[in-house]
Amino acid sequence: DQQVKQNSPSLSVQEGRISILNCDYTNSMFDYFLWYKKYPAEGPTFLISISSIKDKNEDGRFTVFLNKSAKHLSLHIVPSQPGDSAVYFCAALRTDSWGKLQFGAGTQVVVTP
Amino acid sequence: ETGVTQSPTHLIKTRGQQVTLRCSSQSGHNTVSWYQQALGQGPQFIFQYYREEENGRGNFPPRFSGLQFPNYSSELNVNALELDDSALYLCASSLASGRGGNRAGELFFGEGSRLTVL
Repeated sequence: DQQVKQNSPSLSVQEGRISILNCDYTNSMFDYFLWYKKYPAEGPTFLISISSIKDKNEDGRFTVFLNKSAKHLSLHIVPSQPGDSAVYFCAALRTDSWGKLQFGAGTQVVVTP
Repeated sequence: ETGVTQSPTHLIKTRGQQVTLRCSSQSGHNTVSWYQQALGQGPQFIFQYYREEENGRGNFPPRFSGLQFPNYSSELNVNALELDDSALYLCASSLASGRGGNRAGELFFGEGSRLTVL
C-alpha cells in the first residue's frame, strides 16, 4: 500500500534551468511533508518541509508547493546546479507519529552543464 | 557534534541466518528509527525507539526486532533471513516531538548497512 508516490523515476535538466519534482499522496491524515536528498553512499539528508496549513515554503533555491485538494506536492529547484544531481525523496508524516515517515520511491535528478 | 554512525557498512549472509546491525545516534538525540530501503525503492519504516522502548512499528514481521540502549544507541536484529531481506538498512536519529527546535520529520540518517542475503 504505497501512500506516497513519485511517478517520475528520473529527471534530466540543464544547469541554470528549473527542476520540478512531483509527488502525490493518498492518505488525507498526513499533515507534514518533506523532501530529502540522497547522494550515493550517503544517507538521505533533510532538504525542505511544509506543513499542511501552508501552500508554499521557500528556502533559497528550493521551494515546495502543496496542493491539499489534489493531494499533490512539488519541489522546484531554481537555478539547478551540478551539485543538485542526486536522488530526491518525497516523504509524508502524521505529526502524531513523529519520525515515522512514509517515503516515495525517489526521483534521480541529473543536472548537465 | 558526532553524526549517526552505522556498522557494519556491508555484510553478506545466507538464508536462515541471523544478523545484528548497530547504530550510534547523533549526540543529544533520544529517538532512533530504522528503515529498510530495497533497490529502486524509497526507505520503508521498520520501527522507532524512544527511551529504550519501541514507539511504533511498520509492516514488518516479528523476526525484525530491535533494542535501544541507555546511551540511545540501537540495534536491529533480523532472524531467519530471507532473500527479500537484501536491502540497505538505514538508521536515523532525532529529538522527540519538536523539542530542541527539531522540525517535524527531520531525521538525521546514517550511511546505512548494506545487507546481501544469498
